[in-house]
Amino acid sequence: AQKVTQAQTEISVVEKEDVTLDCVYETRDTTYYLFWYKQPPSGELVFLIRRNSFDEQNEISGRYSWNFQKSTSSFNFTITASQVVDSAVYFCALLGGSQGNLIFGKGTKLSVKP
Amino acid sequence: EPEVTQTPSHQVTQMGQEVILHCVPISNHLYFYWYRQILGQKVEFLVSFYNNEISEKSEIFDDQFSVERPDGSNFTLKIRSTKLEDSAMYFCASTRPNTEAFFGQGTRLTVV
Repeated sequence: AQKVTQAQTEISVVEKEDVTLDCVYETRDTTYYLFWYKQPPSGELVFLIRRNSFDEQNEISGRYSWNFQKSTSSFNFTITASQVVDSAVYFCALLGGSQGNLIFGKGTKLSVKP
Repeated sequence: EPEVTQTPSHQVTQMGQEVILHCVPISNHLYFYWYRQILGQKVEFLVSFYNNEISEKSEIFDDQFSVERPDGSNFTLKIRSTKLEDSAMYFCASTRPNTEAFFGQGTRLTVV
């Protein structure tokens, strides 16, 4: 079975704090892809990153960084020096090689206060 | 930049009525999807469509739902007899194989 768990339902931080959003996944596929999407209050789903299962290099993009660890089946997302505009719901998602559709976690609502 | 376009952005319908949600996927994409997000909940897969037929569907996608690609560009989701619990945001997505899904802006369906 494929599953994505985002244990943190809501996180609230003050601007400029660093925050890490956790994502744990389950899959029996050896080839799979992991994603993060951002859903701002306006409702659209904005793609942030895709990683494949063979690439465990951590990635940094500006204030965003991702830590992929196959040993713990985790794909965590860190925002450094958070800003109010980072306030959104963040979804982690899994695309298994045996399945064509994305499996989403329940999302983590991040509130960044000024 | 190419994008997935969904219309309308908001649809209000009476219970029992049929609705059709419209999507124009990115032109060189081969896989098309509908997802649903009930307010405050996670995004749930409904159906995937490839090569002019349904390739996969979830338990949610029962007989009241259908999809079509009538003219090679549009991809529609029809709900035959809407229920209150069909109220949700419906997202269309398209992709090439094993790449990120590009999502439309969503259609908020309100069944009253």
